[in-house]
Amino acid sequence: GDSVTQMEGPVTLSEEAFLTINCTYTATGYPSLFWYVQYPGEGLQLLLKATKADDKGSNKGFEATYRKETTSFHLEKGSVQVSDSAVYFCAPGARSGNTPLVFGKGTRLSVIA
Amino acid sequence: NAGVTQTPKFRVLKTGQSMTLLCAQDMNHEYMYWYRQDPGMGLRLIHYSVGEGTTAKGEVPDGYNVSRLKKQNFLLGLESAAPSQTSVYFCASSSGVSNQPQHFGDGTRLSIL
Repeated sequence: GDSVTQMEGPVTLSEEAFLTINCTYTATGYPSLFWYVQYPGEGLQLLLKATKADDKGSNKGFEATYRKETTSFHLEKGSVQVSDSAVYFCAPGARSGNTPLVFGKGTRLSVIA
Repeated sequence: NAGVTQTPKFRVLKTGQSMTLLCAQDMNHEYMYWYRQDPGMGLRLIHYSVGEGTTAKGEVPDGYNVSRLKKQNFLLGLESAAPSQTSVYFCASSSGVSNQPQHFGDGTRLSIL
């Protein structure tokens, strides 16, 4: 089935640094791809998505481009803030009615002032 | 706009006790999921349901049972709790459409002594 591999954390950055969290996928064809964010003590929430190859998803200053050549969906932000400290998960969209999403293991980001 | 609501938020059990975690969604979603989240393990799927009256096993189903008697509710039961089931449990729901995300509850923190 479809799966993703995420870079392992934790990642620690200073405020205003550039962020990249790598995500590569293994799939037949091109499923939708998602980035979720989990703030401390909360559930996961959708950060951004791309529904087809070459699409770019963006939200809250974060971006990710669905690149079929490299089967990647890396998450980037040009200038992180302390409030971006969270765990980030990459996941493919469901392929059929009976196939649950398979999440990456998550990458913990800590931003220090 | 409640979304996905999990009850209870916290619980402490003794080994061998039983309990039921309740998940309710108000988005008319067909699909519902139960995950557990442990440090360094990411999210692991326990059971899921693709519609009222249906359930299926996920990655780590042993020691858990589920029921989906009503479309809006998905119950997770522990018949005889074990310390290995100490975890944070998340419920999620989705429409099942491939380009739509899952919506998560805020989690239930369960400790088994």
